[in-house]
Amino acid sequence: QKEVEQDPGPLSVPEGAIVSLNCTYSNSAFQYFMWYRQYSRKGPELLMYTYSSGNKEDGRFTAQVDKSSKYISLFIRDSQPSDSATYLCAMKGGTASKLTFGTGTRLQVTL
Amino acid sequence: NAGVTQTPKFQVLKTGQSMTLQCAQDMNHNSMYWYRQDPGMGLRLIYYSASEGTTDKGEVPNGYNVSRLNKREFSLRLESAAPSQTSVYFCASSGGGLAGNTDTQYFGPGTRLTVL
Repeated sequence: QKEVEQDPGPLSVPEGAIVSLNCTYSNSAFQYFMWYRQYSRKGPELLMYTYSSGNKEDGRFTAQVDKSSKYISLFIRDSQPSDSATYLCAMKGGTASKLTFGTGTRLQVTL
Repeated sequence: NAGVTQTPKFQVLKTGQSMTLQCAQDMNHNSMYWYRQDPGMGLRLIYYSASEGTTDKGEVPNGYNVSRLNKREFSLRLESAAPSQTSVYFCASSGGGLAGNTDTQYFGPGTRLTVL
């Protein structure tokens, strides 16, 4: 079993929809949780960062962490065609410098 | 600031050939990483360097070597390329490895390598 599980999709939604992307993990030492966005043929770029449990909001994006369930989510409100990309979750423990990535979920927002 | 730069962008090799992928960062980051990305496999860590002068193996180090030339530069070498090394290679850097730091990784644009 992988340390981080993420549904690869593809996920196709109409413009304006609310999108929910999720990851589950097995390592209880993970404390820092990130979401990266990767456009086709580009490198990943950091989208959201959260520490421990709770919510964080940034514009149309909300990141949620539930450490008791070992489950993290990224919500995108009012989705736009420009949100079409692959979204990767990533996480790390307190003293580690290495990140553990999910395999990524491909999102397509259609007009 | 250019961030993280990688050269070359594309490369085609024949089995058995060698090559070095170059990576440089201008953010004064301590840590640097090499990943490969394959369909359905996500990003897999090949090698990393937590600080200048140190390197460590990641998840998939076989067939690769690295050199942390200085704080800015981290190269990845394929000594005898194999078709299984066909992949997209990403370099990344981050500010530090201390507990409590965010350690956000910043990625380069990638090198697309094909081994025939």
